Amino acid sequence: KQEVTQIPAALSVPEGENLVLNCSFTDSAIYNLQWFRQDPGKGLTSLLLIQSSQREQTSGRLNASLDKSSGRSTLYIAASQPGDSATYLCAVRRAQAGTALIFGKGTTLSVSS
Amino acid sequence: SQTIHQWPATLVQPVGSPLSLECTVEGTSNPNLYWYRQAAGRGLQLLFYSVGIGQISSEVPQNLSASRPQDRQFILSSKKLLLSDSGFYLCAWSGGTSGRRETQYFGPGTRLLVL
Repeated sequence: KQEVTQIPAALSVPEGENLVLNCSFTDSAIYNLQWFRQDPGKGLTSLLLIQSSQREQTSGRLNASLDKSSGRSTLYIAASQPGDSATYLCAVRRAQAGTALIFGKGTTLSVSS
Repeated sequence: SQTIHQWPATLVQPVGSPLSLECTVEGTSNPNLYWYRQAAGRGLQLLFYSVGIGQISSEVPQNLSASRPQDRQFILSSKKLLLSDSGFYLCAWSGGTSGRRETQYFGPGTRLLVL
């Protein structure tokens, strides 16, 4: 059974710091991996999607990496801003039947000005 | 562009009462549709997904059911709510004629409190 774990559960940093969020999954047979952002009481916003054949994806100040063999992904946020404060969720899509996403519990990030 | 709507935004219901949550998608045809639940202290859990009208797959046994009466409409229902049904319910879509087969796009969610 695929399980997704995100560490740390919460993180507080001052504005301007670079930071790394971690995601690990137990079954390397994935189709892709997505990072989402969730603001309090809101739905999810897709940030980056990495296909199983890719090693990384970049969007602006965000960079996501994938090491499928070790079951790990990282989300790197450069020059953090208070507006980056949110919960970041990692999800893997199963390689087999169905298109279900398996989510981690998220990392709640707080960036202080 | 594609948009996804959910309503109501917030709902407070007594135990044993029925439930109907609605989700609609605009701007694409034949999307895959999903219902997720986010309970306090737990990650997002897939409840149902649908690849077409009348085609529903259930991921976990539970007190809830789903229906897809129209191509872009997905409904989550219950005949009798339990306290454990409380949570944040999110609808999502992927694929369809938008060509966006890989990414799932989420609605704003419905917060359900069962008392």
